[in-house]
Amino acid sequence: DAGITQSPRYKITETGRQVTLMCHQTWSHSYMFWYRQDLGHGLRLIYYSAAADITDKGEVPDGYVVSRSKTENFPLTLESATRSQTSVYFCASQGVATNEKLFFGSGTQLSVL
Amino acid sequence: LAKTTQPISMDSYEGQEVNITCSHNNIATNDYITWYQQFPSQGPRFIIQGYKTKVTNEVASLFIPADRKSSTLSLPRVSLSDTAVYYCLVGVPNSGYSTLTFGKGTMLLVSP
Repeated sequence: DAGITQSPRYKITETGRQVTLMCHQTWSHSYMFWYRQDLGHGLRLIYYSAAADITDKGEVPDGYVVSRSKTENFPLTLESATRSQTSVYFCASQGVATNEKLFFGSGTQLSVL
Repeated sequence: LAKTTQPISMDSYEGQEVNITCSHNNIATNDYITWYQQFPSQGPRFIIQGYKTKVTNEVASLFIPADRKSSTLSLPRVSLSDTAVYYCLVGVPNSGYSTLTFGKGTMLLVSP
């Protein structure tokens, strides 16, 4: 869906560098999420946010930082990238009404060398 | 927290009906059952959601027995383009992140 966009689509970085993945949604959805997807692990939740300035840890938060100063943006920062953070990262958003579905972005493929 | 169990993979041929079953023995009274589809290099996409009995949309049907301890996603007359990973989720949407556990899904391969 065009309403949620991630950038960049591909990123190559080096170990120890800081990198930020961007996520923007145009629906004014309250909830936003960051997942990582690795072979053999499926989708794992890194962080989520219920509203602007409200964030919480998911299943695998170590090494990541998020912020949500505006409802529409939910950037994910790797403060000091490690090779184990090589993965495909997906951002998703969800409305606040009961049984709202998740909308996913197209993903960012990150390689840490 | 209701955990789900799905087959890791399934094979089918074009034109056949495919049924993917998800077990969720600990489903709670308020939990919904939601299925997502993921193609390679794309994010998951919502397919269908239900609470009980049967739900049908233009893409699939979802069958939920009375005890709700399992559910079956039914894809009628699959085509090659239905090759994807299918995820079953159980929980109350928006009740917190803990309900949004995707697991590893079922890899469906449709052959000519």
